[in-house]
Amino acid sequence: DAGVTQSPTHLIKTRGQQVTLRCSPKSGHDTVSWYQQALGQGPQFIFQYYEEEERQRGNFPDRFSGHQFPNYSSELNVNALLLGDSALYLCASSSPDRGSYEQYFGPGTRLTVT
Amino acid sequence: GDSVTQMEGPVTLSEEAFLTINCTYTATGYPSLFWYVQYPGEGLQLLLKATKADDKGSNKGFEATYRKETTSFHLEKGSVQVSDSAVYFCALRPSGGGADGLTFGKGTHLIIQP
Repeated sequence: DAGVTQSPTHLIKTRGQQVTLRCSPKSGHDTVSWYQQALGQGPQFIFQYYEEEERQRGNFPDRFSGHQFPNYSSELNVNALLLGDSALYLCASSSPDRGSYEQYFGPGTRLTVT
Repeated sequence: GDSVTQMEGPVTLSEEAFLTINCTYTATGYPSLFWYVQYPGEGLQLLLKATKADDKGSNKGFEATYRKETTSFHLEKGSVQVSDSAVYFCALRPSGGGADGLTFGKGTHLIIQP
């Protein structure tokens, strides 16, 4: 049973560019959440997708957007990158409406903005 | 808003010592509480959870009890091993149905010396 997978593993972008990160949830999960983890900090919730719609959003600007596909996989897009966007981006999947509240995390994508 | 406070690290212990990592939270109602562990270069792994007051979560020798009266969820282990060296995160999931973005503490870096 495959767990949560994310791609790419590492990414280097230049300030002002745009980036897309991808996530495939654990088998049987239909809900995907995205988190940003700055170096030495705890993960911060960006948003959550369910049934292809954004269901909840944390305190992040509109430069951060997402999408969920019919197969439950998800993308995180960040526009107009800033140096401060450098972080580990974590995807987590769950199925709360089926009683499975635990969030299972992928290995993350390390984004470096120069 | 919701928040989680963890003791500052790093915490350095000798092998076979007793471990306590303090965690307190602020949230309305009865949130679910979690401990996650992050090994170097990896994503987060769920260590244990508790979903209601006085519940005790346990896994791999680690334990934590959900104390509503003190709004705490301290992590304990009776005898730590070098392999327990990692960063530990306390997190909460808000009570109520629907969206469930997690709120994390800043993490506690645990170093176990042989």
